[in-house]
Amino acid sequence: GENVGLHLPTLSVQEGDNSIINCAYSNSASDYFIWYKQESGKGPQFIIDIRSNMDKRQGQRVTVLLNKTVKHLSLQIAATQPGDSAVYFCAENTVSGGYNKLIFGAGTRLAVHP
Amino acid sequence: EAGVAQSPRYKIIEKRQSVAFWCNPISGHATLYWYQQILGQGPKLLIQFQNNGVVDDSQLPKDRFSAERLKGVDSTLKIQPAKLEDSAVYLCASSRLPGPTNEKLFFGSGTQLSVL
Repeated sequence: GENVGLHLPTLSVQEGDNSIINCAYSNSASDYFIWYKQESGKGPQFIIDIRSNMDKRQGQRVTVLLNKTVKHLSLQIAATQPGDSAVYFCAENTVSGGYNKLIFGAGTRLAVHP
Repeated sequence: EAGVAQSPRYKIIEKRQSVAFWCNPISGHATLYWYQQILGQGPKLLIQFQNNGVVDDSQLPKDRFSAERLKGVDSTLKIQPAKLEDSAVYLCASSRLPGPTNEKLFFGSGTQLSVL
């Protein structure tokens, strides 16, 4: 879904199900990608990252997949829990003027129902 | 290790007033960032410091926003005068290494600004 103003795309899942959050990035030269989780009233919190020379990376209950051909990133959360409810952002790193610049996507709200 | 500290947590002002936000990054982190996050959107980079020098302020509305990082540690972001559209959460982040390098940013909890 496309983010329009206040209306973030929302993914609703049942507790225990697997969740998949998708992200399209814009710059084919981006070489590093991060997924952040943001709970209400808090700053973004790092979840997992992946470099452009990889297509998959696994963490604890989370997996990130990178498809550079179509500039697509996904975050898979296994056995989703109520504590996973938050807004999830992907971010791509590009080099601008010799320095890294992290650009965030619009975000997806994950709602976990018991 | 202590995280990124920001203050105040909330601020309510009227349009045309001035406001300042403060950030203390994680000790030893060379790079400091200020992001603006409007409700329902992802964070947008305003300015990036490496030590006490500015490396990117291309998105900073320089007619009203200013930022400094004296001595390469703490930083302040100021808005003068504020407009209604400045209502947002202002996030400070830091990263350990100077650029260019790929590494994650650590964020503070942000300052929520409401301009009435």
